[in-house]
Amino acid sequence: ILNVEQSPQSLHVQEGDSTNFTCSFPSSNFYALHWYRWETAKSPEALFVMTLNGDEKKKGRISATLNTKEGYSYLYIKGSQPEDSATYLCALGGGGADGLTFGKGTHLIIQP
Amino acid sequence: KAGVTQTPRYLIKTRGQQVTLSCSPISGHRSVSWYQQTPGQGLQFLFEYFSETQRNKGNFPGRFSGRQFSNSRSEMNVSTLELGDSALYLCASSSYQGGEFSPLHFGNGTRLTVT
Repeated sequence: ILNVEQSPQSLHVQEGDSTNFTCSFPSSNFYALHWYRWETAKSPEALFVMTLNGDEKKKGRISATLNTKEGYSYLYIKGSQPEDSATYLCALGGGGADGLTFGKGTHLIIQP
Repeated sequence: KAGVTQTPRYLIKTRGQQVTLSCSPISGHRSVSWYQQTPGQGLQFLFEYFSETQRNKGNFPGRFSGRQFSNSRSEMNVSTLELGDSALYLCASSSYQGGEFSPLHFGNGTRLTVT
């Protein structure tokens, strides 16, 4: 069973500030790393799928980096806005028959 | 393009009963996966179907089963319901060959309560 850890579990950030959080995974079991944003009362929305060590992806004010050798990915949000409040999930594709293994998420609250 | 549609949105069942949940994927998507979320847990993988075949299965008892039809719509069945089956069940579809390299497109989920 793969273990995907996300930290912190929750985060309060002032509007306008930038923030980042971490997803850790076993580096020996890596095929792909996904990031999703899950807003309350909505369905999870895909942000990025990353496959290569050193990969950096960007979508508006949100970006992500990937280090497969040490087993971590960072998600960055620049200039946080209230609409960024959500739970951010990472998920590991380990190449086995177990689908994606999700972390428990980082719950981000942006305070005006 | 219509998104992933799950029905029903809410369901209340009694222990010992069985339940069937339905998922219609995005048009053209042939891969459908099912996930369970319980309080305090991350999304737990149930199974994935591709072109009517179960491709992968998670670590759940045999009471959990599914199938996929020729139009890619999928159903998930849970028999002999237990209190611990109370959860949000999410269906997701993906394009191309599915698998781990394609982003998942999730439905809004079915909230199952077992009493």
